Amino acid sequence: DAKTTQPPSMDCAEGRAANLPCNHSTISGNEYVYWYRQIHSQGPQYIIHGLKNNETNEMASLIITEDRKSSTLILPHATLRDTAVYYCIVRVGHNQGGKLIFGQGTELSVKP
Amino acid sequence: GAVVSQHPSWVICKSGTSVKIECRSLDFQATTMFWYRQFPKQSLMLMATSNEGSKATYEQGVEKDKFLINHASLTLSTLTVTSAHPEDSSFYICSARDGRAGANVLTFGAGSRLTVL
Repeated sequence: DAKTTQPPSMDCAEGRAANLPCNHSTISGNEYVYWYRQIHSQGPQYIIHGLKNNETNEMASLIITEDRKSSTLILPHATLRDTAVYYCIVRVGHNQGGKLIFGQGTELSVKP
Repeated sequence: GAVVSQHPSWVICKSGTSVKIECRSLDFQATTMFWYRQFPKQSLMLMATSNEGSKATYEQGVEKDKFLINHASLTLSTLTVTSAHPEDSSFYICSARDGRAGANVLTFGAGSRLTVL
């Protein structure tokens, strides 16, 4: 699976949009981009995933560049409860049983 | 949505004893479950893939005799830390893939915090 690069930390003001970048320059054509987050001392929570089209759900939006070498997770109106470590992961759908390999992620701090 | 339950959520044991952690998929069947370990301030590290009815597949560097995995049913996988030592103290997290059509997302349990004295 392709490797991802994320900034180690970011701050965001409460109520503003949080834009979390992820580089995955070695992504293959059949690899999806997944985003999970982990709030302190809890298990990771699924946020969103996509292949090449932009995706939106009730939690966030995922913007994938046309060359698929990078993506941005957007939390449109960040709240204090969104403070967490956000992981960007790329993997082939069911390859190797569909396991996820976590990188270091981005620690997002939402401040009042 | 899919729910994965872990038990116990935290456990303290003496050095040399064995500890069993359960991972259950509550509303779906999971032919495959995954076990992760997480040390403080670090990311999740995949330990092994648990397959129902067959032997688990361990990641490189993970001792299979130390971390016994049993996936006896489509809704239950167990991780047993044998002869636990203080360095095994960690946060253990399981995940499962909902195999129903169209579902390609791993759901994670809340984790089990092990402290070995």
